[in-house]
Amino acid sequence: GEDVEQSLFLSVREGDSSVINCTYTDSSSTYLYWYKQEPGAGLQLLTYIFSNMDMKQDQRLTVLLNKKDKHLSLRIADTQTGDSAIYFCAESIRNTGFQKLVFGTGTRLLVSP
Amino acid sequence: DTAVSQTPKYLVTQMGNDKSIKCEQNLGHDTMYWYKQDSKKFLKIMFSYNNKELIINETVPNRFSPKSPDKAHLNLHINSLELGDSAVYFCASSQDRRETQYFGPGTRLLVL
Repeated sequence: GEDVEQSLFLSVREGDSSVINCTYTDSSSTYLYWYKQEPGAGLQLLTYIFSNMDMKQDQRLTVLLNKKDKHLSLRIADTQTGDSAIYFCAESIRNTGFQKLVFGTGTRLLVSP
Repeated sequence: DTAVSQTPKYLVTQMGNDKSIKCEQNLGHDTMYWYKQDSKKFLKIMFSYNNKELIINETVPNRFSPKSPDKAHLNLHINSLELGDSAVYFCASSQDRRETQYFGPGTRLLVL
């Protein structure tokens, strides 16, 4: 199946850590992605993780993957007001040599001062 | 130095009209995509082209016709626009059909 779910909203205070969660259904996904969308803007690739990895760290971002539970999370350390945006997780589904991205519903992160 | 660009950024038109949205990428990628984002921010793939060949068509109405004149361009033509076509349309590209996708800024279409 093709279904990616995320919680809709997350509100944190500046300086706290944010954790955005995602569950997916296709066990054959090879890559999982996190994209950021600021108001009125396009999608910015934040990071991605290969399915044989458990964790990937990139500056303030930490991605955790639990393949058994099909659960992906994005942790943002020291969250800033500029991190306020919608965060989309996406799984890549491969079909006869090509991939397509199936996106989650997006999580709106609101960071208050 | 824009990577994936789209024109126009905004498009307001009447129901029944025909309109086109253009996409260009200067990344040298082989594969390009069109996605639709509805009012609830849900994103879904519409089409994908690899080396000017259609490889994904996700049950999109025939009123939508993508055209790829060359590897760097993927345009989207929409006939007989309907109210439900109002959305943000994103173009994306990847090195080949299996690689990470990079998105354009989006075209905001409003059908009145």
